[in-house]
Amino acid sequence: DGGITQSPKYLFRKEGQNVTLSCEQNLNHDAMYWYRQDPGQGLRLIYYSQIVNDFQKGDIAEGYSVSREKKESFPLTVTSAQKNPTAFYLCASSIDVGGNQPQHFGDGTRLSIL
Amino acid sequence: GENVEQHPSTLSVQEGDSAVIKCTYSDSASNYFPWYKQELGKRPQLIIDIRSNVGEKKDQRIAVTLNKTAKHFSLHITETQPEDSAVYFCAARGHTGGFKTIFGAGTRLFVKA
Repeated sequence: DGGITQSPKYLFRKEGQNVTLSCEQNLNHDAMYWYRQDPGQGLRLIYYSQIVNDFQKGDIAEGYSVSREKKESFPLTVTSAQKNPTAFYLCASSIDVGGNQPQHFGDGTRLSIL
Repeated sequence: GENVEQHPSTLSVQEGDSAVIKCTYSDSASNYFPWYKQELGKRPQLIIDIRSNVGEKKDQRIAVTLNKTAKHFSLHITETQPEDSAVYFCAARGHTGGFKTIFGAGTRLFVKA
């Protein structure tokens, strides 16, 4: 799905540092999501947003923050409070949250600790 | 909380054989069930989905069945090919907890040539 762009592809975080993962979509979707994927596991929801200037915590929001100032953009900040940030992070979007439409995923960002 | 269980975690089949992956869900209000395929290091991609008003859906070699009473749904891949090797995720979306989509833990499918 070329309509969702995540950057960077690889990111390294030093201890005590906040890092921000970028997610941009040109699909005109209202809803956007951030998932964390650990090796051999499924996708766990960090945050989601149904509309501009609104976002909700998912199942594992602690240590993360998001903003939704523009429809196209939903950046995720991994704060120093997240003690185990090493994972593959996936951003997704869908037409809306409540409708029965699939989510479209970006290529992901792999975050590691230095 | 709501959850989706997926079995098996690993599945190995011979090329040309069929593969079946099963999922159960806990939220009886779930009404949309997508299946995603994820190749190593790549993004998950939708391969088929089914809505709660339908019992079965087929797309070429892939089919999905849904049993709402038992709260389980299955993915069937026939005539498997080596390029079918990947991790497959089932998911369920309902109305509980803000329309969240809950994913299964994934099934790693190996198709041996």
